[in-house]
Amino acid sequence: DTGVSQDPRHKITKRGQNVTFRCDPISEHNRLYWYRQTLGQGPEFLTYFQNEAQLEKSRLLSDRFSAERPKGSFSTLEIQRTEQGDSAMYLCASSGPSDFQPQHFGDGTRLSIL
Amino acid sequence: DAKTTQPNSMESNEEEPVHLPCNHSTISGTDYIHWYRQLPSQGPEYVIHGLTSNVNNRMASLAIAEDRKSSTLILHRATLRDAAVYYCILRRISSGSARQLTFGSGTQLTVLP
Repeated sequence: DTGVSQDPRHKITKRGQNVTFRCDPISEHNRLYWYRQTLGQGPEFLTYFQNEAQLEKSRLLSDRFSAERPKGSFSTLEIQRTEQGDSAMYLCASSGPSDFQPQHFGDGTRLSIL
Repeated sequence: DAKTTQPNSMESNEEEPVHLPCNHSTISGTDYIHWYRQLPSQGPEYVIHGLTSNVNNRMASLAIAEDRKSSTLILHRATLRDAAVYYCILRRISSGSARQLTFGSGTQLTVLP
């Protein structure tokens, strides 16, 4: 299967700890997106990369959040000093270079803060 | 950004057609209409998109009103596997426009056996 892969699928951590999630996009896709989804809501945009450049960031992405895509392939999303409100599903998506191409999503990382 | 309005939930019987409506009365000329769906415990999945003309693919059909203020996603023969949240999303394709998808709350489709 050559879809978008996210790791881990589930993460449980204590409040105040740091967590890091990884996303491996479809190999030929140069665009990569991170979204967050809370229960009963649609996904909300966090940030967008084109190759290794982070081109857009949502106001949802506070100072505690950082995302990287160092070689334009996989990406990591780190949350420092986690808070209860960070509990959510974190989704990664990738797409080709054209705006007309659909985004392909991974199955997400579910974060639970104790 | 133009907004979309969808019913919170709909029910359908298995093997019958399903028509999922979406209103987008403030749509602009460069807004494409996209549909994604999200099955339980999975990420969203692209279904179909269109601009003005009706579109068909292996998953569904998209019927777009002549004034483009509404559209309907048609599943020709619902199966239990089609039970999901369906999102109608407008994407503006122009230079400088945002690349991300803006999801609403979608329509929860229940398929009854």
